[in-house]
Parts: sequence; structure tokens; C-alpha cells
Amino acid sequence: DAKTTQPPSMDCAEGRAANLPCNHSTISGNEYVYWYRQIHSQGPQYIIHGLKNNETNEMASLIITEDRKSSTLILPHATLRDTAVYYCIVRVDGTSGSRLTFGEGTQLTVNP
Amino acid sequence: DTGVSQNPRHKITKRGQNVTFRCDPISEHNRLYWYRQTLGQGPEFLTYFQNEAQLEKSRLLSDRFSAERPKGSFSTLEIQRTEQGDSAMYLCASREQGNLAKNIQYFGAGTRLSVL
Repeated sequence: DAKTTQPPSMDCAEGRAANLPCNHSTISGNEYVYWYRQIHSQGPQYIIHGLKNNETNEMASLIITEDRKSSTLILPHATLRDTAVYYCIVRVDGTSGSRLTFGEGTQLTVNP
Repeated sequence: DTGVSQNPRHKITKRGQNVTFRCDPISEHNRLYWYRQTLGQGPEFLTYFQNEAQLEKSRLLSDRFSAERPKGSFSTLEIQRTEQGDSAMYLCASREQGNLAKNIQYFGAGTRLSVL
């Protein structure tokens, strides 16, 4: 699985958009980009994933650059409950049992 | 609640004792995963099952660790002769088979182990 690089921490004001970057310059053509988050003392929670196209769901939007070497997770209106560690993961589905390889993630703190 | 359930939530034990954790996956999810997470780090893969078959084990899973999923439903993770370095959060996740475009793992809240 391709290695990812994320900033260790970010701050965001409540109600504003939170934009979390992820670099995955060694991503290969069949690797998906996944985002999970982990709120303190809970298990990780799936947010969104994509291959090439931008994706949006009720939680967030995922913007993947055309060369697929980086992506941005966007929380459009961050709330205090969005304070969590956000993990960007790239992987090929169907291999290695589809295990997830987590890095250290980005600690997002949403401030009132 | 139809999510992944893990018990106990917390376990305190003395070094050298054996401990066992249980994971109940989402019903009909045939894939089950165990991860370990230490403070300040992301979760690390330990092992996974497809139905009752244990298909992959990480090198992190020393011979003191054993996992089972006897009937393809719940799973147990046992640690024998615990060491202080085993102190961590042990997370379980499950997913449904197939639909490779939707590899979503659902995690339980974890079991936090403290070895004194």
C-alpha cells in the first residue's frame, strides 16, 4: 500500500470548513483513497473514499487531484464534535484481506 | 445496537496473567479484523478472518497471542503471559464480503488493556 503523509495537527473554527490534506505521491492506479476518523476513546469511523473522481456524502467531500498524488478531505461546516484524529489511507481492494494500514493521522481540533 | 461489540471495555491485569477479549461483529459480516493501537499511534493490523478461517497474521502477533472465530460469528483474542508492552487498545472491525468498491470496515469501541 502507498505511504501517506499528513500534517500532525490542524485547527479550525466552529462553523467554518475544515480542509485536511493528504499526500500520496506513490499511489498506483488501482489504489483507492480512504478517510477514517477516530474520536477520543472510540474506534475509527469510516468517512468517505474515492478512486479518481471527487466524492461527496453526508459527512464530507473528497477532492482528489488529477494526478492522484494528493487529496483533501473537506468538512464543510465543522462542529465541536468533529474534533478527532483523521486518517488518510490508500490501498488496493481485494489484496491482503483488505487490511487498513493507518499512519499517525491529523489531529483536528475544532474551536468554539 | 447492531454495531460491532467488544467486551470488556477495560481490562487491568498483572504481568504474566492470561487475558481474553471478545468481539461480536455486525451480523452477516463474514470478515473480521483485529488491530492494536498504542498511545499516539494509529491502529496496527494483527489478524483477520474470513468466516472461521484465519487467513492472515501480522508479525506483531507473537506466539503468545491467539485468535479464534470458531463458528464464523464472534471472535476471541487471547494473550498469554501478558507483558507490560501488551498494554494497548485492542480494536475489532468487521466488513461484508464482496463489493470491492466499498471496503468499509466498521470498528468496535475497543478493549483497553493495562498490564501492571
